[in-house]
Amino acid sequence: GQQLNQSPQSMFIQEGEDVSMNCTSSSIFNTWLWYKQDPGEGPVLLIALYKAGELTSNGRLTAQFGITRKDSFLNISASIPSDVGIYFCAGLNSNSGYALNFGKGTSLLVTP
Amino acid sequence: DTGVSQDPRHKITKRGQNVTFRCDPISEHNRLYWYRQTLGQGPEFLTYFQNEAQLEKSRLLSDRFSAERPKGSFSTLEIQRTEQGDSAMYLCASSLITDTQYFGPGTRLTVL
Repeated sequence: GQQLNQSPQSMFIQEGEDVSMNCTSSSIFNTWLWYKQDPGEGPVLLIALYKAGELTSNGRLTAQFGITRKDSFLNISASIPSDVGIYFCAGLNSNSGYALNFGKGTSLLVTP
Repeated sequence: DTGVSQDPRHKITKRGQNVTFRCDPISEHNRLYWYRQTLGQGPEFLTYFQNEAQLEKSRLLSDRFSAERPKGSFSTLEIQRTEQGDSAMYLCASSLITDTQYFGPGTRLTVL
């Protein structure tokens, strides 16, 4: 599988700040997914994107499917301490199979 | 609707032993996936089932690894003659018709 380029690698912010992270690929995808993972647990789905240009929100989270189909970003507004965790992007091109290709994750730390 | 469940959550074994993990997908999900995750990395695809048919296998899935989904419901992943390099979190995911994959809590394997 292909490894996606996810940035930044880590972020250390204060509660209330907004956060932005992104993911790029050299290949096109027809699905982008964003997950959050806590230590010792499996990834939890945050947002799913299925169409180029799509902008989707889930509470304080907003994600977009890039129009080139090779990138996606995730924004978190007004961060709170429970946002701490590792955020992963994952892309899939179902024309090539059903394996999700993941980035290495963005580690988010939020101080009160 | 219960989520994906995995058993056991933790497994410690000695090198050379065989281990078997179980995954119960979300009810009525016809697709089931296995991934492996090592520290500091995103999950890596191992294999995928649609109903009881194993349709994709990664090159990561060596001959010592075998997965089954005999009745199209739960799945098992067996590792024979474990090696220290097999130490990782083994994640199971399931999906219905869409490409949105939901993950279980994982099985943490430690090979001594």
